[in-house]
Amino acid sequence: EDQVTQSPEALRLQEGESSSLNCSYTVSGLRGLFWYRQDPGKGPEFLFTLYSAGEEKEKERLKATLTKKESFLHITAPKPEDSATYLCAVQANDYKLSFGAGTTVTVRA
Amino acid sequence: GAVVSQHPSRVICKSGTSVKIECRSLDFQATTMFWYRQFPKQSLMLMATSNEGSKATYEQGVEKDKFLINHASLTLSTLTVTSAHPEDSSFYICSAGRREISETQYFGPGTRLLVL
Repeated sequence: EDQVTQSPEALRLQEGESSSLNCSYTVSGLRGLFWYRQDPGKGPEFLFTLYSAGEEKEKERLKATLTKKESFLHITAPKPEDSATYLCAVQANDYKLSFGAGTTVTVRA
Repeated sequence: GAVVSQHPSRVICKSGTSVKIECRSLDFQATTMFWYRQFPKQSLMLMATSNEGSKATYEQGVEKDKFLINHASLTLSTLTVTSAHPEDSSFYICSAGRREISETQYFGPGTRLLVL
């Protein structure tokens, strides 16, 4: 059974204080690892897909990396608008996504 | 873009009634559509997977007679919660997959269902 574990559960940052979120996973036949951002009361917003170990992707202050066992989402110099829950999900050969519980990030001005 | 809409965004109904939720991919044709349920402060739980023109595949523990899914076209899927009860109150979210982008799922804004 696919398993996705995200840590920490919650992260409180000062504006400008960089940090990293972790997503460790076990899956048989990884097609892709996905990162989404979810704001309260809304659907998840797609951020990145990573397909193979060593791959990195960047978008504004966010950078996602992938190894064979885990992925990191680095937030560089965060702003209050980066406050959200960040979800990690793995996609197996059946195209289904298995989500982690998420990391709720709060950035204080 | 990859825009997915849901309607309604919020619905309140009486116990025993049925509620239909629509999910549309607005600017692309979705190979597959997915329906999720999310409880407060919890992650998304997949309920079912549907492909256009075929029967939906339900996850273990999801009652197919209670949660009816119709996938009439490549841009529209509906979820009908039949004979709703208070325990069906939840946040329902759909997603649409784009195969040309390795089946990346794009999510709708969600529907908040409250059953009284």
